Amino acid sequence: GQNIDQPTEMTATEGAIVQINCTYQTSGFNGLFWYQQHAGEAPTFLSYNVLDGLEEKGRFSSFLSRSKGYSYLLLKELQMKDSASYLCVPMDSNYQLIWGAGTKLIIKP
Amino acid sequence: GAVVSQHPSWVICKSGTSVKIECRSLDFQATTMFWYRQFPKQSLMLMATSNEGSKATYEQGVEKDKFLINHASLTLSTLTVTSAHPEDSSFYICSAQGQTNTEAFFGQGTRLTVV
Repeated sequence: GQNIDQPTEMTATEGAIVQINCTYQTSGFNGLFWYQQHAGEAPTFLSYNVLDGLEEKGRFSSFLSRSKGYSYLLLKELQMKDSASYLCVPMDSNYQLIWGAGTKLIIKP
Repeated sequence: GAVVSQHPSWVICKSGTSVKIECRSLDFQATTMFWYRQFPKQSLMLMATSNEGSKATYEQGVEKDKFLINHASLTLSTLTVTSAHPEDSSFYICSAQGQTNTEAFFGQGTRLTVV
């Protein structure tokens, strides 16, 4: 079967760094997305990885290891507005996005 | 990045009526569009996948006669919730993929409340 494993909830402090880990199993693989979703809103695109390694984009970085079925999202210089759910979304061989429950990130002052 | 426009952003309708939701890709050709539903505090659930010019593929448990999907052009897909009932109240989100399949962009979502 296809599944995604992320922590349900994480808490971090404003200004700090947090790493959200994700392991996945899919039928084939065509890349992995990270999305941010604030409550009551549609997801917004953060990153896409298809090759192994680290992709840096401002305060956010995403890492992928295809052989391990592992990815992480690294958020630096946390701001209160970063409080949201973060969704690790692999794409299978049919280019279907596989959704999990995501990680709810709570930022405290 | 690419923009996907979904309309309306919220709608309230009476039980038994039909509601149409539009999803437009504004600056790219969306060969594939996806429709999702999300209940409060739950994950996104894929309802159906549609490719331009062909019939939509529905996920198991989704009634194709109740949730009518049309993808007549490369920039427009519509979801019609027919004979809506209160249990259909949910957040409906579309996403569009271009031919390169490297990104999936989401519309703003439509919050449907059936009273």
